[in-house]
Amino acid sequence: DAGVIQSPRHEVTEMGQEVTLRCKPISGHDYLFWYRQTMMRGLELLIYFNNNVPIDDSGMPEDRFSAKMPNASFSTLKIQPSEPRDSAVYFCASSSRLAGGSTDTQYFGPGTRLTVL
Amino acid sequence: DAKTTQPPSMDCAEGRAANLPCNHSTISGNEYVYWYRQIHSQGPQYIIHGLKNNETNEMASLIITEDRKSSTLILPHATLRDTAVYYCIVRPNMIYNQGGKLIFGQGTELSVKP
Repeated sequence: DAGVIQSPRHEVTEMGQEVTLRCKPISGHDYLFWYRQTMMRGLELLIYFNNNVPIDDSGMPEDRFSAKMPNASFSTLKIQPSEPRDSAVYFCASSSRLAGGSTDTQYFGPGTRLTVL
Repeated sequence: DAKTTQPPSMDCAEGRAANLPCNHSTISGNEYVYWYRQIHSQGPQYIIHGLKNNETNEMASLIITEDRKSSTLILPHATLRDTAVYYCIVRPNMIYNQGGKLIFGQGTELSVKP
């Protein structure tokens, strides 16, 4: 398996522009997570989906951020309009609830480094 | 979720065992201890997890005290490639349609030196 795939790997944009980050989870995984990492705040969970349905979006900073999962193999995180304080590395992760079990591990993608000028 | 406390940094000589401690004194009975690591410029990587018993896999060993208030991650023969930030996380069982959240702290920055 190719693992979790994220694109683009690097994004540089200007303040006010729309930014779309993309994620392809591991095939067969039913949970998908979006995280953001900055020096100041560390690694923080933004939102996660189960079977394409958003379960917890309490970490989404504000209305400028939105996430969708139209199908089991694709998710987007959109920022509109972008601001310099959105500069961070954004990670996508996926996991699968083990059959009959109650624990899971999350597999992270390589991240998208976003710079908003 | 229970909080964890880890030393901010540690050094280890290459080839020696690296022992990374974690305190989780408020852990509750159904919470697991997870360890992840993040090598520079990469996404976090799962290492190991456990509930009560000690666990071992190809990457590391996890020792959990009997009262479950602390644990130690052991890398038996550290290499330069083990230099990373190591995160200790406690979280409950993943109940169907709930759970799944990992709350990352600041972790321990492990430097393996030649």
